[in-house]
Amino acid sequence: GAVVSQHPSRVICKSGTSVKIECRSLDFQATTMFWYRQFPKQSLMLMATSNEGSKATYEQGVEKDKFLINHASLTLSTLTVTSAHPEDSSFYICSARASGVGNIQYFGAGTRLSVL
Amino acid sequence: QKEVEQNSGPLSVPEGAIASLNCTYSDRGSQSFFWYRQYSGKSPELIMSIYSNGDKEDGRFTAQLNKASQYVSLLIRDSQPSDSATYLCAVMASSASKIIFGSGTRLSIRP
Repeated sequence: GAVVSQHPSRVICKSGTSVKIECRSLDFQATTMFWYRQFPKQSLMLMATSNEGSKATYEQGVEKDKFLINHASLTLSTLTVTSAHPEDSSFYICSARASGVGNIQYFGAGTRLSVL
Repeated sequence: QKEVEQNSGPLSVPEGAIASLNCTYSDRGSQSFFWYRQYSGKSPELIMSIYSNGDKEDGRFTAQLNKASQYVSLLIRDSQPSDSATYLCAVMASSASKIIFGSGTRLSIRP
């Protein structure tokens, strides 16, 4: 299957700092990328959908000013958690979809964020 | 009613037996269906995709789709301990804007 690279895999930061997570589609062009968050023993929660060159669409209850998403190219999307707090500690996973390939979404390996 | 429903489990199956995972969905216009496997602490990985009614087989895995009943299932034959994971059913919304995930079924294969 297609490869989606996500890094860093783990981040530990102090409260109040900003953290940037990168998501790259390595062998296909991702017209749409998705950002999920998953708390322990809970299901995936979609945070936002981003299309290349346009503003991200955020799910209800997700603060767009706190979780900044940039999808500047067909192979790269970034999620920046601004002024992170301990309650933002979670497993963040990106996913990318290529057009015309059965609508399959491929996932990155995820980023575990711990805010002290 | 949830858009994609799965029994949370845990589902315990003896090694070598068939594990059967079920999923129902509410959007009758859905056209694309997926099963993902997620090991603890890892991200989901795609196991199967299915788009038309009937069965689709890939190795030990068989996906079954019944659009009239809005039902999709995954069978795992000759279950192995390494199959122990959470299995996520996912359905592409009829608007094709995003995939809706079920909450997952935790499968445990006992030796």
